[in-house]
Amino acid sequence: NAGVTQTPKFQVLKTGQSMTLQCAQDMNHNSMYWYRQDPGMGLRLIYYSASEGTTDKGEVPNGYNVSRLNKREFSLRLESAAPSQTSVYFCASGQGSDNSEQYFGPGTRLTVT
Amino acid sequence: GENVEQHPSTLSVQEGDSAVIKCTYSDSASNYFPWYKQELGKRPQLIIDIRSNVGEKKDQRIAVTLNKTAKHFSLHITETQPEDSAVYFCAARKVGGTYKYIFGTGTRLKVLA
Repeated sequence: NAGVTQTPKFQVLKTGQSMTLQCAQDMNHNSMYWYRQDPGMGLRLIYYSASEGTTDKGEVPNGYNVSRLNKREFSLRLESAAPSQTSVYFCASGQGSDNSEQYFGPGTRLTVT
Repeated sequence: GENVEQHPSTLSVQEGDSAVIKCTYSDSASNYFPWYKQELGKRPQLIIDIRSNVGEKKDQRIAVTLNKTAKHFSLHITETQPEDSAVYFCAARKVGGTYKYIFGTGTRLKVLA
């Protein structure tokens, strides 16, 4: 099992460019999440998908869109990148049941210049 | 809205001493409280968790306590070692529905040899 995988690991964008961060899990989990991590801010939820076919906004959704392509994959898109979106992005997944825990991917370090 | 406060933001202890990190949550419907350890440049990893029907849980040198009435929970690390140095995050989650997590802002623990 690879667990939760993310691509790319690093990315540099210019202001206004677009890109999609990919996330996949092979644990047959129902729930998937996208977080951003900034120094001193902890992990802030951008979007989440409680189950295949559903997505909901988290704490900081502005400037992002998501797609739950299937049960395995949950992508995060930046349509017009801004310097404020420079961050480390983590994808996570969980079974979405009372006894489940959350597993994180290795992260994507994004810099917007 | 939902909020998790975490203190202190930084903590330095001598090797062999104990460390305590405290979190307070706002949503009384929260009933699952995980703690994550994040080493530099790595993904957060679950180290211990507690559910609201339990007051304390131990795993070797790590323990978590929960006070539902006061809505706070704490991480206790005894006999600290240099490899315990990391950033620790608490989180709170409601069972059912979306299984959305709210994270604290993190505590940077330094264990001094």
